[in-house]
Amino acid sequence: RKEVEQDPGPFNVPEGATVAFNCTYSNSASQSFFWYRQDCRKEPKLLMSVYSSGNEDGRFTAQLNRASQYISLLIRDSKLSDSATYLCVVNTGRRALTFGSGTRLQVQP
Amino acid sequence: GAGVSQTPSNKVTEKGKYVELRCDPISGHTALYWYRQSLGQGPEFLIYFQGTGAADDSGLPNDRFFAVRPEGSVSTLKIQRTERGDSAVYLCASSSKGRDNSGANVLTFGAGSRLTVL
Repeated sequence: RKEVEQDPGPFNVPEGATVAFNCTYSNSASQSFFWYRQDCRKEPKLLMSVYSSGNEDGRFTAQLNRASQYISLLIRDSKLSDSATYLCVVNTGRRALTFGSGTRLQVQP
Repeated sequence: GAGVSQTPSNKVTEKGKYVELRCDPISGHTALYWYRQSLGQGPEFLIYFQGTGAADDSGLPNDRFFAVRPEGSVSTLKIQRTERGDSAVYLCASSSKGRDNSGANVLTFGAGSRLTVL
């Protein structure tokens, strides 16, 4: 079983839609959680950290459910510029972060 | 520098050749990471440096792969006797000892070195 699992998608949504991605992790001792965004043929960039209490950054909301070991990302009012791959990232107890395979989002006009 | 710099951006080599990939991290960042990303996959951890020493090299796939960071800044990833399966984008990231509000380190990636082994 992979340490971090994501639905690869693609999620095809119209502009203005709300879309949610989930990610599950296997190590219950994991301490920190992130969502990174990766545009085609570009490097990953931090989108947001995920806090236990949940957190919001503009149109983006991240939630953590430790009991079920999953993390979610909600994007409201999708823009064309949101089209990208969203990587779920977990500190599984190793010194380096573990990345999921990513969920591809395509926002259509 | 302002960001993480990686060279070369593209490298095409023949099977069996030796390759070096260079990473220049953000000035002052003590932690440096190498990841490898294949098409359709997320970055896969290779090795992590804290200062000059390799704090965790458990991700290196075999002894053909080696990395150094002699002065605690620039790092070089070295691949001997390259194989076609080594073809991937090799990503370098760095982070400072500072942490975000959650207490976690945040990685800043370079643009990557795309390696193609023919």
